Amino acid sequence: DAKTTQPNSMESNEEEPVHLPCNHSTISGTDYIHWYRQLPSQGPEYVIHGLTSNVNNRMASLAIAEDRKSSTLILHRATLRDAAVYYCIYISSGSARQLTFGSGTQLTVLP
Amino acid sequence: DSGVTQTPKHLITATGQRVTLRCSPRSGDLSVYWYQQSLDQGLQFLIQYYNGEERAKGNILERFSAQQFPDLHSELNLSSLELGDSALYFCASSPTGASNQPQHFGDGTRLSIL
Repeated sequence: DAKTTQPNSMESNEEEPVHLPCNHSTISGTDYIHWYRQLPSQGPEYVIHGLTSNVNNRMASLAIAEDRKSSTLILHRATLRDAAVYYCIYISSGSARQLTFGSGTQLTVLP
Repeated sequence: DSGVTQTPKHLITATGQRVTLRCSPRSGDLSVYWYQQSLDQGLQFLIQYYNGEERAKGNILERFSAQQFPDLHSELNLSSLELGDSALYFCASSPTGASNQPQHFGDGTRLSIL
């Protein structure tokens, strides 16, 4: 199983940036790093993914370490609606490309 | 709105019964995944289909089965239900199932076994 390590919980103030770390030391060179989040009572929601270089989209930025053994999801200005469990996942490029969810990071955004 | 539709939203049934959960993937997506989320096990992958064929199996019990139909919708069948099967069941879809494609999830079916 593809194993990642994330802090159990983090807090942020509203309107401030949030950096959510993830370690994935057993990642292979062709494995993509994905981030999903799950808001209460909803299904997981795709946030962003990347392979080697940093990635930006309308929701967030993904910073990937040069050795690819860690990554950071950056929410540039946290809002109350960003309070969720954030999952960092890497998908092995073998035949089984399912998402292996860990326990994730519970992000609390304080007003 | 992810574009993935799951029905029903809620199911309440008794032990020993059989239920069918339905998923319609996003338009154009050929790959469908099923996941189970319970309080003690978290989110776990069950099974994946691609264009009607089973592609990968995860922690799916023998009492559970799934299929993907020619119109690409998928059904997850759960039989001989036990109390421990109470969980949220999510369906997700992606265009071809490649590792560089996001999976888009439905809102889930909440199954309660009494």
